[in-house]
Amino acid sequence: DAGVTQSPTHLIKTRGQQVTLRCSPKSGHDTVSWYQQALGQGPQFIFQYYEEEERQRGNFPDRFSGHQFPNYSSELNVNALLLGDSALYLCASLAGVGYNEQFFGPGTRLTVL
Amino acid sequence: DQQVKQNSPSLSVQEGRISILNCDYTNSMFDYFLWYKKYPAEGPTFLISISSIKDKNEDGRFTVFLNKSAKHLSLHIVPSQPGDSAVYFCAASEVNIGSSNTGKLIFGQGTTLQVKP
Repeated sequence: DAGVTQSPTHLIKTRGQQVTLRCSPKSGHDTVSWYQQALGQGPQFIFQYYEEEERQRGNFPDRFSGHQFPNYSSELNVNALLLGDSALYLCASLAGVGYNEQFFGPGTRLTVL
Repeated sequence: DQQVKQNSPSLSVQEGRISILNCDYTNSMFDYFLWYKKYPAEGPTFLISISSIKDKNEDGRFTVFLNKSAKHLSLHIVPSQPGDSAVYFCAASEVNIGSSNTGKLIFGQGTTLQVKP
């Protein structure tokens, strides 16, 4: 049973560019959350997708957007990249509303130069 | 506004002894708490959790204690092993109006545990 997978593993972009990160949830999970983890900090909630819709959102600007596909996989898009967007981006999946344990992927390390 | 705080950035213990990692929170709406372990270059791995209706949950060498009045929880690892060396994150989840979890986790800053052989 594959766990949560993310691609790519690493990514280097320059300021102003756009980036798309991808996530496949754990088998049987229909809800995907995205987190940003800056160096030395805990993960911060970006948003969550359920039934192909954004269910809730953290304190992140509109430059951060996402999408969920019918197979429950998800994408995170960041436009107009800033140096401060450099971080580890984590995807987590959970079995649905009412479940608490979230299972994380290995993350995508984004570096913005 | 840091709603979940882990005030000890690091902890070093001897193999076989007890490791105690602490976490404080400020939001009384949090109803579920989780501990995650993270190795370098990997995502956080779920370790143990506790509901706000309990004050203790045990799973093998890992026990989590919750003191709601103090808004404090702790993770005990007994006995500690060198393989436990990692960054440990405390996280909290809040209940929504419909009494189901929101699925939004609020994390602390993490505590780096080093277990020396």
